[in-house]
Amino acid sequence: DAGVTQSPTHLIKTRGQQVTLRCSPISGHKSVSWYQQVLGQGPQFIFQYYEKEERGRGNFPDRFSARQFPNYSSELNVNALLLGDSALYLCASSLDTVGYGYTFGSGTRLTVV
Amino acid sequence: QQQVKQSPQSLIVQKGGISIINCAYENTAFDYFPWYQQFPGKGPALLIAIRPDVSEKKEGRFTISFNKSAKQFSLHIMDSQPGDSATYFCAASMASGTYKYIFGTGTRLKVLA
Repeated sequence: DAGVTQSPTHLIKTRGQQVTLRCSPISGHKSVSWYQQVLGQGPQFIFQYYEKEERGRGNFPDRFSARQFPNYSSELNVNALLLGDSALYLCASSLDTVGYGYTFGSGTRLTVV
Repeated sequence: QQQVKQSPQSLIVQKGGISIINCAYENTAFDYFPWYQQFPGKGPALLIAIRPDVSEKKEGRFTISFNKSAKQFSLHIMDSQPGDSATYFCAASMASGTYKYIFGTGTRLKVLA
C-alpha cells in the first residue's frame, strides 16, 4: 500500500513568491494535517482538514492556507514567501479527526532565497 | 501549557547499551503520547505510543514509561544498535479541540558500533 505521498520533494523559491505543496493521504484516510519543521526543531502544527473542512489551525500567519479535495488529497499554499518559511513541510494522514497514529509523508523541502 | 520539553538534545550510546530519552508536559488534558523516529531526509515514523491509563508499554526493544503524577514520560531503547541512530521526537495530543500534536524539540541519538 502506498503511504502518504508529497510533491514536490524539493523546491527553491524567491522571497515574495507563492508556493503550492501537495499531499495524497493513505487510501481510506480522511484527515490530513500539515506541519512545518524548521531544521533542528520538532514539527509545528499548521492545519488539519477532515472531510474538506478545516478542523484546526496553528499559530501561523494568514499567508498560509490549505484546502482538501473530495478525494481527500490536500494542498498547502504559502503566499509572499519569507526567508523564515524555509523548512521541511510535512503532511500527515489519519483515519479520522482524532489523529491517533498519524502517518507522515517524507515532506517537501522548501528553500526560500 | 502547550509545551512538551524533551531532553537530552543529543545522546551517544555504545552498541548494546540502553538509550533513554525524557519528556515532560504541563497540560493534563493531553491523553495520547507518541514517539516518532526520524532519519535524515525522511518524515517522522511512529515508533510507539501510550495513553495515560497505563504506566508502561513495550514493543520489541522500545519501551515507554509514563508517570502521570509527575507529568513525565520516557522512551527506553534496549540493546541499542547503530541502525537506531536517528532523531527521536516525543509528542502529546488531546482528543478534544484541535487534534494537533505538540512535539518536543528532538533528541539526536548516535549509537556507536
